[in-house]
Amino acid sequence: EAGVTQFPSHSVIEKGQTVTLRCDPISGHDNLYWYRRVMGKEIKFLLHFVKESKQDESGMPNNRFLAERTGGTYSTLKVQPAELEDSGVYFCASSQDLGTGVRGYTFGSGTRLTVV
Amino acid sequence: SQQGEEDPQALSIQEGENATMNCSYKTSINNLQWYRQNSGRGLVHLILIRSNEREKHSGRLRVTLDTSKKSSSLLITASRAADTASYFCATGRRGNNRLAFGKGNQVVVIP
Repeated sequence: EAGVTQFPSHSVIEKGQTVTLRCDPISGHDNLYWYRRVMGKEIKFLLHFVKESKQDESGMPNNRFLAERTGGTYSTLKVQPAELEDSGVYFCASSQDLGTGVRGYTFGSGTRLTVV
Repeated sequence: SQQGEEDPQALSIQEGENATMNCSYKTSINNLQWYRQNSGRGLVHLILIRSNEREKHSGRLRVTLDTSKKSSSLLITASRAADTASYFCATGRRGNNRLAFGKGNQVVVIP
């Protein structure tokens, strides 16, 4: 099966600009998650979709971040306006169940975002 | 909030040796998972151990879990150069689907 696909793989933008990250989960996976790793820190949960609904968005840092999953397929994460502290690697993951089975979660390769 | 914390954070070993990493966490968990990240790649799920399990094996991997000490260890036996990567532990908690990750261990296996 195809894995979780994220693009772009890298993005360099100026402070104040807008960036949209995209994640295509494994087909049939209802659960989609966004995580991010800011330089030197641990990977942090951002939010969880079940199909098109936001199940848990408690990790979203502020209202400059907007995630959508129209139709319950791919998801986008928009940062507007971007700030320097948003730089990091944004990971997407999907799972068919709740990620607590032997397969865990399947992660994408991540999008490395650099805000200058 | 729960958090996985690996120790040590950097490990350099010779090919063929065993590598051991530890992880501690702070709250009660439902499961603990280990992931590997090769440079520039995504996180790859290695193994999951449930809170009622004490030890689990998968190929050259051996994971232990001590819930009384809130700690886990990952052992990679007979390491290979291809095992060079960052290793993360992540805890899952009953009632939510978030994983809490630690900062990761960088393992370098020297051929």
